[in-house]
Amino acid sequence: QQQVKQSPQSLIVQKGGISIINCAYENTAFDYFPWYQQFPGKGPALLIAIRPDVSEKKEGRFTISFNKSAKQFSLHIMDSQPGDSATYFCAASEDSNYQLIWGAGTKLIIKP
Amino acid sequence: DAGVIQSPRHEVTEMGQEVTLRCKPISGHNSLFWYRQTMMRGLELLIYFNNNVPIDDSGMPEDRFSAKMPNASFSTLKIQPSEPRDSAVYFCASSLYRSNTEAFFGQGTRLTVV
Repeated sequence: QQQVKQSPQSLIVQKGGISIINCAYENTAFDYFPWYQQFPGKGPALLIAIRPDVSEKKEGRFTISFNKSAKQFSLHIMDSQPGDSATYFCAASEDSNYQLIWGAGTKLIIKP
Repeated sequence: DAGVIQSPRHEVTEMGQEVTLRCKPISGHNSLFWYRQTMMRGLELLIYFNNNVPIDDSGMPEDRFSAKMPNASFSTLKIQPSEPRDSAVYFCASSLYRSNTEAFFGQGTRLTVV
């Protein structure tokens, strides 16, 4: 019930392509869905987040798509660049709760 | 602001020794989180403080682990005695809000227990 399932585990995309990472959850009480980006040797950094009152949120080349009925959300990186190579984590929480439930992470490699 | 500051960045210690990890949260943030990250288990929340008070320590793996937050600008995570299975990257994060919303992470402490 508390899990967030993330896929794929790893992803290789050509420069300029679209990177897509998917997450699924079961707990319908979740109302906050952030994505974090982590570079080697660094801590996770908040990239973009969405709440279930909208189906899509875009910030620059990064877009979250949210499907409430399917209990799924995804991160799309348009025009992927080598500098986007990192590990991406989805997460979910009940906003009134401090506990973020993390996905297992996706290691993204953008090939020049 | 310099962000969340953790020290040391790397720590190598022998099994049985005491290890103390330090964290300075972002000024004005009233929530602080200690996480552990390993390949096998991913990111695990160890303990959560709000306004310097421990709210939930259910993620602390054993009594060998303890954490304190004596004031709003400093927290420690102590492992005594340390064991090889404690080897991991330990992150401290802080948030302006009571919840995990917009938590900012430090760069982590890579702990190796030999």
